[in-house]
Amino acid sequence: RKEVEQDPGPFNVPEGATVAFNCTYSNSASQSFFWYRQDCRKEPKLLMSVYSSGNEDGRFTAQLNRASQYISLLIRDSKLSDSATYLCVVTNQAGTALIFGKGTTLSVSS
Amino acid sequence: GAVVSQHPSWVICKSGTSVKIECRSLDFQATTMFWYRQFPKQSLMLMATSNEGSKATYEQGVEKDKFLINHASLTLSTLTVTSAHPEDSSFYICISDRGATNTEAFFGQGTRLTVV
Repeated sequence: RKEVEQDPGPFNVPEGATVAFNCTYSNSASQSFFWYRQDCRKEPKLLMSVYSSGNEDGRFTAQLNRASQYISLLIRDSKLSDSATYLCVVTNQAGTALIFGKGTTLSVSS
Repeated sequence: GAVVSQHPSWVICKSGTSVKIECRSLDFQATTMFWYRQFPKQSLMLMATSNEGSKATYEQGVEKDKFLINHASLTLSTLTVTSAHPEDSSFYICISDRGATNTEAFFGQGTRLTVV
């Protein structure tokens, strides 16, 4: 089983749509969780950290379910500029290195 | 603010040559630097962990004699791909550790290596 699994997509949605991405991780000892965004041929950029209580940043909402080892990202009112690959990332057991999912590709069209 | 500066951004080299990739931490000291690579449509995979002043730790399946890592100072870590082959063509990126306070990691800009 892969350490971090994501649906690769692509998700093709119109502007204004709401889209949800899911992710599961295998190591129950992982301590920190993130969503990163990666544009083509660029380094990933941190979108948001994910907490068990859930957190929201503008149009983005992230949720963590430790019992199910499941992470989600909800994007509301999609913009063209949201088109990118979204990476689900967890830390290793030591809490130092990052373990990346393959990413879910989002394409928002007008 | 803290930045990891990675060079070169892209490089094309001939088979059999060696390529050195540098990551410098600016405005902070990186005791540990993680080196990853990403093949097309694949996830970033950890290759090795570089610790200042000591030998690097390599992940299973990564040849330490082929991917030489040097972390001689707290602000510079280098990865040298020796005797590069076309299958080494990939996106290589360094990421600093998150520190004792587990804050955000800092990413290099990545190096796209093409071996022809």
